[in-house]
Amino acid sequence: KAGVTQTPRYLIKTRGQQVTLSCSPISGHRSVSWYQQTPGQGLQFLFEYFSETQRNKGNFPGRFSGRQFSNSRSEMNVSTLELGDSALYLCASSAGTGNQPQHFGDGTRLSIL
Amino acid sequence: AQSVTQLGSHVSVSEGALVLLRCNYSSSVPPYLFWYVQYPNQGLQLLLKYTSAATLVKGINGFEAEFKKSETSFHLTKPSAHMSDAAEYFCAVSASNTGNQFYFGTGTSLTVIP
Repeated sequence: KAGVTQTPRYLIKTRGQQVTLSCSPISGHRSVSWYQQTPGQGLQFLFEYFSETQRNKGNFPGRFSGRQFSNSRSEMNVSTLELGDSALYLCASSAGTGNQPQHFGDGTRLSIL
Repeated sequence: AQSVTQLGSHVSVSEGALVLLRCNYSSSVPPYLFWYVQYPNQGLQLLLKYTSAATLVKGINGFEAEFKKSETSFHLTKPSAHMSDAAEYFCAVSASNTGNQFYFGTGTSLTVIP
C-alpha cells in the first residue's frame, strides 16, 4: 500500500510570491491534515479536510489556505510569502476518526529568500 | 480541550540503557494517545497507539507505553537503547469529540551515547 506522497520535496521562493503544495493520501483515507514544523515553534496544526470540507482549522492567517478534491488529494496554498513561512510542511492522512492514527508524508521543505 | 506535555526536550542515554520519554495529557473525554518518531528530513512515523483497549501498548522497534489514567500519563519506554533510536519523538492526543484533530507535544530529542 503506497504511503502519503507530498510534492515537491523542496521548494525555494522569494518574499511576496505564492506557493502550492500537494499531498496524495493513502488510498481509502478521507481525511488530510496539514502541519507546519519549524525549530522554534515545533509542529503546528494548519487545517484538516475531510470529504472535501474543511473540518478543523488551526490559528494561522488567511494567507494559508487549502482544499481537497473528490479523490481525497489535497493542496495547500500560501500567498504573499514571508521569511517566517520557511518551514517543513507535513501532510498526514487517516480514515478520519480520532482513534485512527495519522500517517505522515516526508514533507515539503519550503525556503523563503 | 486536549493537550499533551512532553517533559524534557532533550534526553541522552547510553547505548543499552533504558529509554524513558515522558508524556502527560489533558483531555475532557477519554483520550486516544499516540507516539511518533521523526528522523531527520523525514515525516513522522507511528510507533504505537492507545485507543482504550489494553493499557500497556507495544509498538514497533521494541518500544512500549503504558496508559495511566490516574496519572494522566503515557510514557514511552524501551529496555535497551540502540544507536538507531536517536531521533525526535512526539506524543499526540486526540479524542472522539475532536473529529480527527491531533494535538502534538513539543517533542523530545533522544541522543544515544555509544
